[in-house]
Amino acid sequence: EVQLLESGGGLIQPGGSLRLSCAASDLTFSNFAMSWVRQAPGKGLEWVSAISGSAGSTYYADPVKGRFTISRDNSKNTLYLQMDSLRAEDTAVYYCAKELYSSTFYTMDVWGQGTTVTVSS
Amino acid sequence: QSILTQPPSASGTPGQRVTISCSGSYSNIGVNAVSWYQQLPGRAPKFLFSSHNQRPSGVSDRFSGSKSGTSASLAISGLQSEDEADYYCAAWDDKLIGWVFGGGTKLTVL
Repeated sequence: EVQLLESGGGLIQPGGSLRLSCAASDLTFSNFAMSWVRQAPGKGLEWVSAISGSAGSTYYADPVKGRFTISRDNSKNTLYLQMDSLRAEDTAVYYCAKELYSSTFYTMDVWGQGTTVTVSS
Repeated sequence: QSILTQPPSASGTPGQRVTISCSGSYSNIGVNAVSWYQQLPGRAPKFLFSSHNQRPSGVSDRFSGSKSGTSASLAISGLQSEDEADYYCAAWDDKLIGWVFGGGTKLTVL
């Protein structure tokens, strides 16, 4: 069974940086695009970023463009999200999610349990 | 304001059939698959099915859906108390070049 395990969340001051990781198991990782989705306290789901299986293509939501960087290491079956210049409005649970295919986006079919990021002074 | 529009709440009694709508535009629902997710309180979202007939094993066939033009809907038949959760629709948007979600519908089983 495919499993995704996020880590790296925590309490960080505004303007700070944090790197989230998502370790995947029981799959050929490079065959699948991946996404990050976040959920602010009491709010709905918000897509953050996506990356193709080969890491050749990356996509970002406007609120994080220029501040967040998505990457992956297929040799380690791990997805990353480097978050810089963090703001209070970035406070959320961050989920990683597996796509069905390598370079097209139909469905996020497996989700991790999430890691919490709190941006506060 | 979410790109996809869902009613904020829905309710039904045990055994009833409930539907949840999801409205979008040509660049998302109009040309791409719609996926539905269930989020139980305090849990991560769980993929239910997509309009491209993708459905994980273990997801009850009480959950079904349809898509027409720029709208989609989720139907839950034989409502059970364990179905009480938030439900989200999502689709890739070719114009925004990213995923868009509905604001979520909180389903209450009375």
